[in-house]
Parts: sequence; structure tokens; C-alpha cells
Amino acid sequence: AQSVTQLDSQVPVFEEAPVELRCNYSSSVSVYLFWYVQYPNQGLQLLLKYLSGSTLVKGINGFEAEFNKSQTSFHLRKPSVHISDTAEYFCAVSDGNNDMRFGAGTRLTVKP
Amino acid sequence: KAGVTQTPRYLIKTRGQQVTLSCSPISGHRSVSWYQQTPGQGLQFLFEYFSETQRNKGNFPGRFSGRQFSNSRSEMNVSTLELGDSALYLCASSFQDRATDTQYFGPGTRLTVL
Repeated sequence: AQSVTQLDSQVPVFEEAPVELRCNYSSSVSVYLFWYVQYPNQGLQLLLKYLSGSTLVKGINGFEAEFNKSQTSFHLRKPSVHISDTAEYFCAVSDGNNDMRFGAGTRLTVKP
Repeated sequence: KAGVTQTPRYLIKTRGQQVTLSCSPISGHRSVSWYQQTPGQGLQFLFEYFSETQRNKGNFPGRFSGRQFSNSRSEMNVSTLELGDSALYLCASSFQDRATDTQYFGPGTRLTVL
């Protein structure tokens, strides 16, 4: 069985500062990894995903993530955040066989 | 292309009642998944339907059920509602496989059980 751990439940950061949201996973098979964002009163939206190939994945809104197999991590980064990035971010792991798990979420708050 | 739509957006029920929620996926998407989101338990997978068949099921009691129609629209039903069923219920559609394809989420149905 797989599992995913988002190491920070809340991350406060000032506008224009860099941010990293941490995600670690546990799986005995090859994995596919996702980051989703949920803005207030909305459903989730895909930011980026890793299926194979380059371990550095670029997504929408200037976000990127790096797949690190040895550290079993898939941390999400953005070099300069905006107020509009305030949202809940979810990391998810899949084994490609319909077993998909979401992390508990990280609430990113960007302050002016 | 229209997004995933869910109806109703808000619902208030009392304990013991039953409820049916509806989800219309993106056109051409055949996989529809349902999730329950609560502050305490986070995002929990309920079930996935593909071509009118339940393909995957999460760890929820039998009071939670669903179905998918030939046009890929899906409904979920919760019978004998309990206070703990109060949650945001999210529907997501994907082209074929939620495990590898991008899932597109609807805005959710907020269910309150009194």
C-alpha cells in the first residue's frame, strides 16, 4: 500500500518570497506523483504531475517540483509567490493501477 | 469545453434521511471518481466508475453507493445519514484512468447533516 505525507500543515510566507511545500511518499512499486491546488470554495486543480522522464517537472502558475527517488520526495517550489497563490495544496501518489492516495494538504498563506 | 458540474451545490438534511448527489463529467471523459473532504480526515476516496462499472472503492460503509449512466454522468447516494457525513463531496472526471490521467474536479456539494 502506498502513503503520502505532507510535512507541513501550514506555510506562511511573504509576497515575492520563495516557497517550498514538502511531500514524501512511501511505495513498493513505481509511482506517479501529482500536485493539486484548491482555492477557497472550489474543487481541486492540477498543478503538475510526474509520470516518467525528467525528474524536474514544470507546472502552471510558475510552480515546479522535483522527483527524488532516493529520498522518496516530490517537493513543490515557486521562486516568488503572489497573494493569489494563497490556497490549499495537495500532493498525491498513484501506483498506476487505480490506487491513488492524497496527502492531508498544506495551507499556503501569502502575506503582503 | 465545459467543466465538471455538480448539483446541488449545497444541501441540508437531517439524520436518518437519504441524499443523492449528481455529477456531470467533462465531455468524453469516461472515468468519474467521488471524494469526501472534511477538515479532520482530509480528502478520502469513495469510489470510481468507468463505463458504468464500479472500478475501485474506498473504505466507506455500504450506506455510500453510486452509479454511472451510459452518458458518463454519475450519482452518489448516502442512505441513513449520520452527523459525521457532513462534508464537501467532490466529483472528478478523467479521460480513462484517475491513476495516471489528470483529474478535473467539480466545485463540490456541501452537505450538512443536522
